[in-house]
Amino acid sequence: NAGVTQTPKFRVLKTGQSMTLLCAQDMNHEYMYWYRQDPGMGLRLIHYSVGEGTTAKGEVPDGYNVSRLKKQNFLLGLESAAPSQTSVYFCASSYPPLGQGRVGSNQPQHFGDGTRLSIL
Amino acid sequence: AQSVTQPDIHITVSEGASLELRCNYSYGATPYLFWYVQSPGQGLQLLLKYFSGDTLVQGIKGFEAEFKRSQSSFNLRKPSVHWSDAAEYFCAVGPARAGGGNKLTFGTGTQLKVEL
Repeated sequence: NAGVTQTPKFRVLKTGQSMTLLCAQDMNHEYMYWYRQDPGMGLRLIHYSVGEGTTAKGEVPDGYNVSRLKKQNFLLGLESAAPSQTSVYFCASSYPPLGQGRVGSNQPQHFGDGTRLSIL
Repeated sequence: AQSVTQPDIHITVSEGASLELRCNYSYGATPYLFWYVQSPGQGLQLLLKYFSGDTLVQGIKGFEAEFKRSQSSFNLRKPSVHWSDAAEYFCAVGPARAGGGNKLTFGTGTQLKVEL
């Protein structure tokens, strides 16, 4: 069981370069998420998806784009990298809720091991 | 707006001593509360979760957490800490009912150091 796999694990970019981070999950999860983790700030949600072909903005979406063309993959793109985007990026996934409206119906999120991205 | 506060940035305990990590939350609806642990260079692993029922919940690795609605707290405890528990611990809150993409709000984390 691979779970949630993030590619690459490390990357160094120059300001203005572009790149795509890949997240793949083999648990048939419907929901997927991208977070960034910065010292003293915990994890902040960038974008998320509730199903193939859908995406939505999270707390800190500026400077990032995402795509969910296949259910198992969630891509995070940086079109023009900036030093402020130096961070550790985590992908997560979860099953959809067990029915609507029932307390406790939401499912826990499962995390990948992260991508450490440095932008010079 | 929902928020999670972990007031202790760093905690150091001796191996074998008891541990309590504090978490306070603010949430407008029925909350779903989580504790995750992150070892160096790793992703987050779920320790335990709570949304209703018995206010003391058991998790993996010997951890437990107590929900106190009157104090808006969800503190994590372990009776006897092992050196392998050294890691960063995150408290998170999300919606207990479906809708809105099941988004979580995380605290800023508590770094646990264990002295041998």
